[in-house]
Amino acid sequence: EIVMTQSPDTLSVSPGERATLSCRASQSVSSNLAWYQQKPGQAPRLLIYGASTRATGIPARFSGSGSGTEFTLIISSLQSEDFAVYYCQQYNNWPLTFGGGTKVEIK
Amino acid sequence: EVQLLESGGGLVQPGGSLRLSCAASGFTFTSYAMSWVRQAPGKGLEWVSGLSDTGGSTYYADSVKGRFTVFRDNSKNTLSLQMNSLSPEDTAVYYCAKAMWTTDAFDIWGQGTMVTVSS
Repeated sequence: EIVMTQSPDTLSVSPGERATLSCRASQSVSSNLAWYQQKPGQAPRLLIYGASTRATGIPARFSGSGSGTEFTLIISSLQSEDFAVYYCQQYNNWPLTFGGGTKVEIK
Repeated sequence: EVQLLESGGGLVQPGGSLRLSCAASGFTFTSYAMSWVRQAPGKGLEWVSGLSDTGGSTYYADSVKGRFTVFRDNSKNTLSLQMNSLSPEDTAVYYCAKAMWTTDAFDIWGQGTMVTVSS
């Protein structure tokens, strides 16, 4: 099983600032990596797939990069609606696995 | 409107069984792989089980292998999860999720159904 490790656990950021979230895979997942946003009481929402392709309707302030074992999600200028928990997920191998999540909170 | 609607959650005793269902609408159900993902209270996401568009290939997390069975009825646009030998560790919100075309990133999620395993 591929273990996905996200860091940091919590990120405190002021509105308008940039947030950088990291995700590391225990072995290569190529570019088969997705990012999700989840707000309290809601289902996750797909942000990024293929490591760097924004899903439909996702604002350009969200960008993903990386391949192999190291991945990054950048939110260029945090808006109030961006404070949430973010998860990465690999879909290169079964079983599919998620990272533990990074909570982005208001500083 | 593309939609997934889960049902079947509830309270069950340890060792018991439960069947979850997910009704799909607004897209060609037969063309997409589907999965179940769960989230224990206050915890992160855990992929549970998935199956191919035809249902011919199925996959399970080690934590549920041998206890859970995933299947689909493409004539009724329905995904199901049969859960047996439930334990308190299975307590979670269970989400049904649609995979994208040619990838297993999930672009559509249901609202979730809560399963509580307790005596």
